[in-house]
Amino acid sequence: KQEVTQIPAALSVPEGENLVLNCSFTDSAIYNLQWFRQDPGKGLTSLLLIQSSQREQTSGRLNASLDKSSGRSTLYIAASQPGDSATYLCAVPFPSGSARQLTFGSGTQLTVLP
Amino acid sequence: ETGVTQSPTHLIKTRGQQVTLRCSSQSGHNTVSWYQQALGQGPQFIFQYYREEENGRGNFPPRFSGLQFPNYSSELNVNALELDDSALYLCASSPTGASYEQYFGPGTRLTVT
Repeated sequence: KQEVTQIPAALSVPEGENLVLNCSFTDSAIYNLQWFRQDPGKGLTSLLLIQSSQREQTSGRLNASLDKSSGRSTLYIAASQPGDSATYLCAVPFPSGSARQLTFGSGTQLTVLP
Repeated sequence: ETGVTQSPTHLIKTRGQQVTLRCSSQSGHNTVSWYQQALGQGPQFIFQYYREEENGRGNFPPRFSGLQFPNYSSELNVNALELDDSALYLCASSPTGASYEQYFGPGTRLTVT
């Protein structure tokens, strides 16, 4: 069974700081890893998808890395802004029969203070 | 390109009632998955449909059931509602191919009283 853990559960930083969110998973036989953003009461917005053959992906101020052997991924946010305040979730696909379910962590709730 | 849409946005039901939630997948996507997200938790996989057939199921009782239609839209039905069913229900669609990338809708907030 795949388990995904995210640390810390909550993080509060002043505007402008660079920060790192952590994600760990127990089964390293993953196909990819996806990072999502969720605003309160809303759906999920995909931020980055890293294939298992990749080490990192970048989109604007976001950079996600993947280390399958250690079962870890990090999401780096550069020059944080108050608009980055949201919950960040990581997820890995874990085949259930022939399905491709995503197994999620519980998320890191980020608050960027102006 | 239209993204994933869900209806209704919010719903309040009484314990013991039945509810149907709806999802329209993104154009060109033939796989739909449903997730339940309790407050403060990550989404939990309910089931997935591929070409109108259930293609995998998470640890949810049979009173959670679904349908997928020829246009790839989908319904989630929950019978005999319980208070613990109160959650955000998310629908995700994904295209053919092995990318596994899923695109989520805005969710339906269900409150059971």
